[in-house]
Amino acid sequence: GIQVEQSPPDLILQEGANSTLRCNFSDSVNNLQWFHQNPWGQLINLFYIPSGTKQNGRLSATTVATERYSLLYISSSQTTDSGVYFCAVNWGSQGNLIFGKGTKLSVKP
Amino acid sequence: KAGVTQTPRYLIKTRGQQVTLSCSPISGHRSVSWYQQTPGQGLQFLFEYFSETQRNKGNFPGRFSGRQFSNSRSEMNVSTLELGDSALYLCASRESGGYTFGSGTRLTVV
Repeated sequence: GIQVEQSPPDLILQEGANSTLRCNFSDSVNNLQWFHQNPWGQLINLFYIPSGTKQNGRLSATTVATERYSLLYISSSQTTDSGVYFCAVNWGSQGNLIFGKGTKLSVKP
Repeated sequence: KAGVTQTPRYLIKTRGQQVTLSCSPISGHRSVSWYQQTPGQGLQFLFEYFSETQRNKGNFPGRFSGRQFSNSRSEMNVSTLELGDSALYLCASRESGGYTFGSGTRLTVV
């Protein structure tokens, strides 16, 4: 099956710093999403981005499907950005999301 | 539009008991899928229902089952609970495009 690898596994930033999170996947996909898991466990959808580039405020994401990777950019980080960021992919029409192990981000004031 | 609603939020059960979790998808979404999250295994797919039919199933024992009703609400059941079933159970709904997750049910088996 498809393998999803995220890097780095852990990231500590000072408030105001920028960061780039990476997601590599091993096969063609037709769905790629980035999620932020808050301290209460909810997965918040950041981007649905099977290809191309999207931006939402301080966050942006780029997926290069032909090279099988996606990047999540966080600019001017805030303490509320802390949490775990997951990349998830699937293929076909069936709901079998494959998740990476996540990047744990800690933003210090 | 209301989001994905999962109930209950927290649950404590004893080994050997059974449990039923509920998920109400976003209105109009026919696909509901379930995931288990544990510290050791991460997020793993349990199963997906679409228009009352199980469309896909992950690699979990038969103690884990589910169903979907005509209004798209879904339930998952775990029978003969084991300590290792302690986890966060997440439900997601989708019509087209991306998946939207609920807040989860945190199950503790003692």
